[in-house]
Amino acid sequence: AQSVTQPDIHITVSEGASLELRCNYSYGATPYLFWYVQSPGQGLQLLLKYFSGDTLVQGIKGFEAEFKRSQSSFNLRKPSVHWSDAAEYFCAVAFLNFGNEKLTFGTGTRLTIIP
Amino acid sequence: GAVVSQHPSRVICKSGTSVKIECRSLDFQATTMFWYRQFPKQSLMLMATSNEGSKATYEQGVEKDKFLINHASLTLSTLTVTSAHPEDSSFYICSAPEGVSRVTQYFGPGTRLLVL
Repeated sequence: AQSVTQPDIHITVSEGASLELRCNYSYGATPYLFWYVQSPGQGLQLLLKYFSGDTLVQGIKGFEAEFKRSQSSFNLRKPSVHWSDAAEYFCAVAFLNFGNEKLTFGTGTRLTIIP
Repeated sequence: GAVVSQHPSRVICKSGTSVKIECRSLDFQATTMFWYRQFPKQSLMLMATSNEGSKATYEQGVEKDKFLINHASLTLSTLTVTSAHPEDSSFYICSAPEGVSRVTQYFGPGTRLLVL
């Protein structure tokens, strides 16, 4: 069965510092990969996605992610974080199921930004 | 990106009553919508897949008689929590896939349910 692992439950980063959030997946074929961000009490906003092609994908808010097939990873990065980036980040994998594309989520990484 | 709305954003109800939550795709049609439940500081758990024109598909362990889903149109799905109990208190989020591949899901803002 497919699964998504986010090994870091909580990360604290200084404002202006670089950020990398880890995501590993277990899946039999090349998955569709996503990163979502959730602010407290809010729904999820799509940051970026990877379906195929260039393994380095750019997203909104200055985020990027790199798909590494050999490592089954899809890590999220940002060169310089802002206080507004404090939120919960979820990595997700999609697989086909009778035409309905279900998402499997990681457990999330909570990002705290310190001045 | 596509926009999905939910109503209400929060609701408080007494134990034993039923609560209906609406999920709408505002600028696209959705033959499929998904309903998730999220407990505090946890990830999203898929409850069911809502299908326009047919019955919903429930995930293992989710009581279909407890969580009634109706996909009334191509832009509206509703989740009714019947005979709600305090343990049903949670954050409920819907999503709808959009785009040619219909893989990318767009999420509603969520509904906070508190059952007293």
